[in-house]
Amino acid sequence: AQTVTQSQPEMSVQEAETVTLSCTYDTSENNYYLFWYKQPPSRQMILVIRQEAYKQQNATENRFSVNFQKAAKSFSLKISDSQLGDTAMYFCALNAGNNRKLIWGLGTSLAVNP
Amino acid sequence: EAGVAQSPRYKIIEKRQSVAFWCNPISGHATLYWYQQILGQGPKLLIQFQNNGVVDDSQLPKDRFSAERLKGVDSTLKIQPAKLEDSAVYLCASRPQGGAGELFFGEGSRLTVL
Repeated sequence: AQTVTQSQPEMSVQEAETVTLSCTYDTSENNYYLFWYKQPPSRQMILVIRQEAYKQQNATENRFSVNFQKAAKSFSLKISDSQLGDTAMYFCALNAGNNRKLIWGLGTSLAVNP
Repeated sequence: EAGVAQSPRYKIIEKRQSVAFWCNPISGHATLYWYQQILGQGPKLLIQFQNNGVVDDSQLPKDRFSAERLKGVDSTLKIQPAKLEDSAVYLCASRPQGGAGELFFGEGSRLTVL
């Protein structure tokens, strides 16, 4: 079975600091994709960053980067220079196999404090 | 490019009443998803369409929920009769053919059942 685990239900960080959100997953597939989605309060779910399993290089998108450890099945999200607008729920998701069904973690609620 | 459109944004009904939600995916996206997201939880897949065919509806409570995508474009999700536990945000998402499998979400329809 494919699973995604986010072990931190809630986190907080001071504005301008760096925070890392954890995600571990399990799949028997060799080819898969991993995603981090952001859902601000009462707002739309948007894609933050994605990682292809066959790429060794960690994905980066401006202040957002991942630490992808394939052997450990770990996919953490690092947010640098945190901003108040980063306050949101963050979901880790796995897309593996032919059915194209996303497996979701339970989410981490991140609060950026001024 | 227009995003995923959903309506209504908010709906309040009494239990045992019926409700319908509409979704128009991004143009050209063959795959459409309906998710249920209860407050504080991750999205739960209700149904996945590929064009106008159902790919996965294993978690759709078929005694009260129904969905259709007759022409392979827009879709309607209906609940009849509603229960208190149906209070949630109903998210519609679409995905282009191929690619990494990332989903594009609408703003959601928030349902409150009293």
